[in-house]
Amino acid sequence: AQRVTQPEKLLSVFKGAPVELKCNYSYSGSPELFWYVQYSRQRLQLLLRHISRESIKGFTADLNKGETSFHLKKPFAQEEDSAMYYCALWAEGGGSEKLVFGKGTKLTVNP
Amino acid sequence: DTEVTQTPKHLVMGMTNKKSLKCEQHMGHRAMYWYKQKAKKPPELMFVYSYEKLSINESVPSRFSPECPNSSLLNLHLHALQPEDSALYLCASSQDAALASDTQYFGPGTRLTVL
Repeated sequence: AQRVTQPEKLLSVFKGAPVELKCNYSYSGSPELFWYVQYSRQRLQLLLRHISRESIKGFTADLNKGETSFHLKKPFAQEEDSAMYYCALWAEGGGSEKLVFGKGTKLTVNP
Repeated sequence: DTEVTQTPKHLVMGMTNKKSLKCEQHMGHRAMYWYKQKAKKPPELMFVYSYEKLSINESVPSRFSPECPNSSLLNLHLHALQPEDSALYLCASSQDAALASDTQYFGPGTRLTVL
């Protein structure tokens, strides 16, 4: 069965420190993975996806198929990075395709 | 216009009421979605419309009835809801429902409270 695990409910770092939000997945097919972010009082929005191999707002994420991971990293956290982060997997199963979200990690960047 | 809009922002209803949630996008997307998000939980898919046809129903109770009148509009009709249905209801759209590479754009949500 497809599953996305974000082991940390809460993560707190200081401004300027490196940050890593962990994401592990379970999926028998070829994974398509995404990070979505929800800033306070804003809508859920796509941050980045693994197929684009891009860096958005200083964040990067590398798909590691051996470790079934897609961790989100930023070398120097900023206060404006404080938000809820969801890792999501595009999964096919039971005749349907859909996004399966992890439970999310709330990141707080302290001044 | 690159936004998904949802109305109303907030809705309070009794268990015997009938109400509707509305979602609109003018990005030319052919896939639209309803998600339910309980407090401090991730969004959970309810329905997917692809080219105005219901393509996915994630075993949602019949008290939730989706409707896609045209390619820009998506409704969710509510009837005889239970207090546990109180949640944030999110609408999203994407170019195509079957392509993982298509970004899903989310609306701000309707905060529903069932008394």
